[in-house]
Order: sequence, then C-alpha cells, then structure tokens
Amino acid sequence: GAVVSQHPSWVICKSGTSVKIECRSLDFQATTMFWYRQFPKQSLMLMATSNEGSKATYEQGVEKDKFLINHASLTLSTLTVTSAHPEDSSFYICSARFGTELNYGYTFGSGTRLTVV
Amino acid sequence: DQQVKQNSPSLSVQEGRISILNCDYTNSMFDYFLWYKKYPAEGPTFLISISSIKDKNEDGRFTVFLNKSAKHLSLHIVPSQPGDSAVYFCGGNTDKLIFGTGTRLQVFP
Repeated sequence: GAVVSQHPSWVICKSGTSVKIECRSLDFQATTMFWYRQFPKQSLMLMATSNEGSKATYEQGVEKDKFLINHASLTLSTLTVTSAHPEDSSFYICSARFGTELNYGYTFGSGTRLTVV
Repeated sequence: DQQVKQNSPSLSVQEGRISILNCDYTNSMFDYFLWYKKYPAEGPTFLISISSIKDKNEDGRFTVFLNKSAKHLSLHIVPSQPGDSAVYFCGGNTDKLIFGTGTRLQVFP
C-alpha cells in the first residue's frame, strides 16, 4: 500500500516553455504532498509542501511563481515549471504523507528527470 | 541552514562486514528520524525509522541508534551485502521531512 505514481519519468523541453509533472497517490488519500529537487551528487532539497485545497508552502529560496504547485484533489498534486531554463534541469521527486495523524510515513514517487535545452 | 548533515559523502565496506552511516542534526523539534535508500534516477525507498523518544530500533539487518544529547544518529547494516550499495539519506521529521546530503555506500565482494 501507500503507492505514489509520478509522471512523466523524464521530459526534455525547450527553454522558455512550461512543463507539468504529476504526482498521484494510487491507494490512499494524500492530504499533504511534498516536492523535492535533487541536483547531481547532492541532497534531496525540499521545495514545497502541497496541501489539498489550499496554497502550497514554499521553502526559503524557492520561487513560487517559477514552480507552480496545485493540489486540487486528495490524490493529485502537480508541479509546473514555468518558463523553464537550463538551470531548472534537475531530478524532481514528489512525496506523500500516509497514515494517521499520530502514526504516519512518507512514500515517494519514482522521480522525473527534467532536461531543458 | 543545514538541519540534517551527513558528513561522509561515501563509504566503502567489504561484504559481510558492518556498515555504519552517520547523521547529525540541529533541529531539536524533530520527532522522528527516517532512513531512506536511493538508487540513481529512482525515488527513495523507506528503510527504517526511530522515534525521538527511543534510542534504538532494529529491523533485520538494519539498526538505527539515536543519541539525542549529541544530536546524532547512525544506521548500522550487518552483514553488508552488495545489494546494499546505494545512496542513503537520513531525514528528520517535524511536519515535513528534511534530508541530509546523503552517503554513498559501496559494498564490495
């Protein structure tokens, strides 16, 4: 149980275009989802927390107008990289919290490799 | 502000021996600590966790130790197997999960 599906697994886009990444919880309802970014040989950096039905909470230094997050349902969160540039090329991973308020865990998607050319 | 630190970027261990991965943290509000294993181009997979009120948790070959006074935790893998070769991330939890920088473990025959 507690499976998260992330699509696409990889995408190549032209500089200046926008790219949408989807994260779906398959067998549970995810009130809260998270978006991470991993640079080569570096840590998983938390970008934002996505709450169903409300605005996302962004970590310091993350541009909210650049990385648009929508969590319109209990099973879907999307990350849109707007006006992508080569420096946005990275590995993006979503995560969802599952379980109860007192006993929960985190499950992760398989990631999306974004390459901006 | 790096709330979770893994000061060893890599570790090489012989098969059958013990692997010890270390993690330090600064945020005393973390209520849980979790270890994840990650392969390239894949999402992290959960290994083991420990509550901040415990000092040890064991699951098969994996044991996590927590020293709250030192704000330090470690993951022990014994015996190490070649399939354990991956990047290991330590994470501290409040209402979100903050990861350290990862340690690449290589287990050689």
